[in-house]
Amino acid sequence: DGGITQSPKYLFRKEGQNVTLSCEQNLNHDAMYWYRQDPGQGLRLIYYSQIVNDFQKGDIAEGYSVSREKKESFPLTVTSAQKNPTAFYLCASRIGRGVQGYTFGSGTRLTVV
Amino acid sequence: KQEVTQIPAALSVPEGENLVLNCSFTDSAIYNLQWFRQDPGKGLTSLLLIQSSQREQTSGRLNASLDKSSGRSTLYIAASQPGDSATYLCAPPPNFGNEKLTFGTGTRLTIIP
Repeated sequence: DGGITQSPKYLFRKEGQNVTLSCEQNLNHDAMYWYRQDPGQGLRLIYYSQIVNDFQKGDIAEGYSVSREKKESFPLTVTSAQKNPTAFYLCASRIGRGVQGYTFGSGTRLTVV
Repeated sequence: KQEVTQIPAALSVPEGENLVLNCSFTDSAIYNLQWFRQDPGKGLTSLLLIQSSQREQTSGRLNASLDKSSGRSTLYIAASQPGDSATYLCAPPPNFGNEKLTFGTGTRLTIIP
């Protein structure tokens, strides 16, 4: 079945560490997105990519980095510059601009220890 | 800038009742609108996608309507069941040139057995 796979499901980060969250899709979707979800704040866009080797900042990109070397993969790195990284991270994709909807992964919960 | 409001923020109803969840948005220049369900600690599951040319979309006990001119959408759930308990989110995907998918904070629904 086609879908989006996020890994790991749970991730723990020590202060000062960089960690990378994986997002892989086999839907042949062009566009991919990373959202952060905090309690009571809804979803906020971190980064998005419409094509391979290109990506754009969202509303809260500071302290995060991404790459899009392959169409299927859009990993998110949470750097030590992100001061409050504890949150639920969701990856999404869609076929491209236009009338198609979004597909979401099952999320990664990141906790700073 | 698109703003999305969902009312009520929380709703508890006895099992078997019909209910309506509301979604309003400020920018009516949209391709479509998507309703999602989110269970605690999980990703988003797409429920319904209404194209801008449609007024309604149905899937089982769910019916979603879209009124672009007034900036409103409703999600109707018939004969509610305890398994319907979840947070429901609506999102009008952006038009051409804007990739930010804006969410409201959702409606947290509890069905009482």
